[in-house]
Amino acid sequence: EIVMTQSPATLSVFPGERATLSCRASQSVSSNLAWYQQKPGQAPRLLIYDASTRATGIPARFSGSGSGTEFTLTISSLQSEDFAVYYCQQYNNWPPESTFGPGTKVDIK
Amino acid sequence: EVQLVESGGGVIQPGGSLRLSCAVSGSSDNFNYMSWVRQAPGKGLEWVSVLYNVGGNSYYADSVKGRFTISRDNSRNTLYLQMNSLRSEDTAVYYCARGTTYFYYMEVWGNGTTVTVTS
Repeated sequence: EIVMTQSPATLSVFPGERATLSCRASQSVSSNLAWYQQKPGQAPRLLIYDASTRATGIPARFSGSGSGTEFTLTISSLQSEDFAVYYCQQYNNWPPESTFGPGTKVDIK
Repeated sequence: EVQLVESGGGVIQPGGSLRLSCAVSGSSDNFNYMSWVRQAPGKGLEWVSVLYNVGGNSYYADSVKGRFTISRDNSRNTLYLQMNSLRSEDTAVYYCARGTTYFYYMEVWGNGTTVTVTS
C-alpha cells in the first residue's frame, strides 16, 4: 500500500500571502497525483491532476509541481475563499486502490 | 455538466444493512471509474471502493472488504454501494465520485449522504 503524508498539518497564512503545501508518497507514483480542496460542509473539489494540470475552472493562482515521491501545491496569493483543507491523492496503483493524504488545513493568520 | 446525487443514508444499528445510491446525470461521456469515498466526522477522506467499467471489476479498501459491494445499473445511470454488517466505525459521509476514462482520480463529486451506525 502506498502511504501519503502531508505537511504541515495546519498552515496559518495572511490573505494575499503565498501558501506552499507538501505531499509525499512512500514510493514513486510518477505524476499520478491529484489535489483536492474541501471547505466545511462541502464535498471535495478537484484542483489539480497529473501533479500539475489545473482542473476546469480552477484559478491560475493554484499550481502543482513534483513527480515521483515529492509534490507541492502552491497558492500564489491567498484569497478569502481559499481557506480550506487540502488533500493529495495518488492514483498510480493497479489495482486502482486510491490513497489520500491526511490533509493540510489552511487557515487565516 | 455532470451531476452526482447520492441518497440512501440514514441511521442504522450495528450489524444492519444499507444501500446507497448515486444518480449520474448530465453526461454522455465514457468514463470507466466510479468510486465511493467516505469521511468520518472530523476526519480526512478515506477511499472505500471503485468500480472499473471495463470488465466490471470492483475493488475495496481492506476496512470494508467482504462487507460492502459496489455495483452500477447503466440503464438507470446509477451507482450503488450495498453495505452489510455495518459497524460504528462505518459512520461517515459517503461521497460518490466519477473518475475519467483512463484514471481514477475523482473528477466530479456528489454532495454526499450521511450514514450513522449507532445502537
